[in-house]
Amino acid sequence: EVQLVESGGGVVQPGGSLRLSCAASGFTFDDYAMHWVRQAPGKGLEWVSLISGDGGSTYYADSVKGRFTISRDNSKNSLYLQMNSLRTEDTALYYCAKDTNSLDVWGQGTTVTVSS
Amino acid sequence: EIVLTQSPDFQSVTPKEKVTITCRASQSIGSSLHWYQQKPDQSPKLLIKYASQSISGVPSRFSGSGSGTDFTLTINSLEAEDAAAYYCHQSSSLPLTFGGGTKVEIK
Repeated sequence: EVQLVESGGGVVQPGGSLRLSCAASGFTFDDYAMHWVRQAPGKGLEWVSLISGDGGSTYYADSVKGRFTISRDNSKNSLYLQMNSLRTEDTALYYCAKDTNSLDVWGQGTTVTVSS
Repeated sequence: EIVLTQSPDFQSVTPKEKVTITCRASQSIGSSLHWYQQKPDQSPKLLIKYASQSISGVPSRFSGSGSGTDFTLTINSLEAEDAAAYYCHQSSSLPLTFGGGTKVEIK
């Protein structure tokens, strides 16, 4: 069964940092690009970042560029999102998703709350 | 950035009715348009890919059409379990973008 499981969310003060993880199973992880997508409370979906299958190419939404870093460890079938300089507007449920041009598999999400 | 405009924002529908949701792109995206269903407290689920291609395991009452800038998701004979938010998404160019969503409520 193809599965994505996120972890690492929590409550952090503005200006703080968090590292999210996404553990993948049931497919050949390094064959696929991976994404982070977030959803603020009661709001719609917002794309955050993309990384290629070999990790050599990364892309970011303007709202997180320079603050967030996406990475992956194909030997561990894991995807990461390092989030620095967090702002209250980064509060959201963060999903990892598998790329087949569409996003065909999503995790259950991990919640990040930025609050003083 | 390609902006996706969905309409309506909200629809209250009787079971067995037909539901039509539209998604308009700010520039042509060919067929790089996908639809997702998100039920309360669940992750989004892929319903339709590349505007009209069906997904294994998705009921046949869900269908998609369109190309270029105008797209439609149709739910034929709505069932109670279809109460959810529906989102369109374009993969034509970065940044990836999503429509604002359409919430479908069952009367």
